Amino acid sequence: DSGVTQTPKHLITATGQRVTLRCSPRSGDLSVYWYQQSLDQGLQFLIQYYNGEERAKGNILERFSAQQFPDLHSELNLSSLELGDSALYFCASSPRDYNTGELFFGEGSRLTVL
Amino acid sequence: GIQVEQSPPDLILQEGANSTLRCNFSDSVNNLQWFHQNPWGQLINLFYIPSGTKQNGRLSATTVATERYSLLYISSSQTTDSGVYFCAVVPDYKLSFGAGTTVTVRA
Repeated sequence: DSGVTQTPKHLITATGQRVTLRCSPRSGDLSVYWYQQSLDQGLQFLIQYYNGEERAKGNILERFSAQQFPDLHSELNLSSLELGDSALYFCASSPRDYNTGELFFGEGSRLTVL
Repeated sequence: GIQVEQSPPDLILQEGANSTLRCNFSDSVNNLQWFHQNPWGQLINLFYIPSGTKQNGRLSATTVATERYSLLYISSSQTTDSGVYFCAVVPDYKLSFGAGTTVTVRA
């Protein structure tokens, strides 16, 4: 158990819909990262937050947004879903900023868009 | 961006065999981690190893940062070692993953 909690574990929805994925980081970790794993793209960095502030952006679509709340949990919002958004979405956390130090990953949220 | 190349892409082992997985990266890095993704999709931390050598049970890893490569050794492999092994590096602000090595251990 990495200490990073993600919900839901599985989600099936239809094209055009909106979903929210939730992540609770390890106790004491201030940074939260979101990654997407799809069959054709591998593991791709989406976005990072540190203590409530956005720190870095990767290949995140405009239809996707995220935030980190004062209690440090984070949510990833995916809207106007397309078939190609089907993937495993991981959250990771670390105590430091900018990916320094070791990252620990949650078990992922598997999204299926039909 | 940085290139992270893992070899071999696929590896089939008989239970009890030893193996070496390699990760080459194209630029200097601040962070290097090895992960095991099990058949259920979980990403499990194996090593945080920006440089040097570490051992954890039957697994060990060596990173030679000046030569831009890292090696993961699996000894006396077990069927539970099956899965995908990822190397991930941080050259700047994000963890960049290699494509992985798929390991299948047969009983």
